[in-house]
Amino acid sequence: GAVVSQHPSWVICKSGTSVKIECRSLDFQATTMFWYRQFPKQSLMLMATSNEGSKATYEQGVEKDKFLINHASLTLSTLTVTSAHPEDSSFYICSARDRLGAGYEQYFGPGTRLTVT
Amino acid sequence: SQQGEEDPQALSIQEGENATMNCSYKTSINNLQWYRQNSGRGLVHLILIRSNEREKHSGRLRVTLDTSKKSSSLLITASRAADTASYFCATQPGAAGNKLTFGGGTRVLVKP
Repeated sequence: GAVVSQHPSWVICKSGTSVKIECRSLDFQATTMFWYRQFPKQSLMLMATSNEGSKATYEQGVEKDKFLINHASLTLSTLTVTSAHPEDSSFYICSARDRLGAGYEQYFGPGTRLTVT
Repeated sequence: SQQGEEDPQALSIQEGENATMNCSYKTSINNLQWYRQNSGRGLVHLILIRSNEREKHSGRLRVTLDTSKKSSSLLITASRAADTASYFCATQPGAAGNKLTFGGGTRVLVKP
């Protein structure tokens, strides 16, 4: 149980285009999902917290107009990187908190590698 | 700002040896968690230790927590080549909320 999927697993796009990444909780409902970014050989940095049915909460320094987050259902959150640039190339990972769980543990997706050329 | 700092940043050991890595943090926590990440993959949850616990075991893993020193350690005993990965500690705050703040990670290489 507690499986989180991400789609796509990798994507290459041209500079200036937008890319959408999906995060799904497959066997549980997630009122809260988190989006992280990870540069090579670095740690995960939280970008935003996504709450079902409400606006996402962005961390300091993360541009909300550039990284659009939509959490339209209890099993799906999407991250759209708008007008992508090469510096947005990174590994994007989502995690989800089980609505019925104790609230402490998060389940991570396998990540999406974005390369902007 | 990064909550957790880990050391060493990298560790190379022979199969069968023990691997120890440490994590320090700055603010109060509700719990501290350890995760493993294989290269280019997602994170796997290893163990969670609550702020009122001092030690926890799971298979070959042993985690300690010293809240007075704001530090934790992860020990992997009898390491295997398959343990080669990056290990991250992550803290959750004492206040309500479930944000995880990750440490810098320790890259462990277990040589066969």
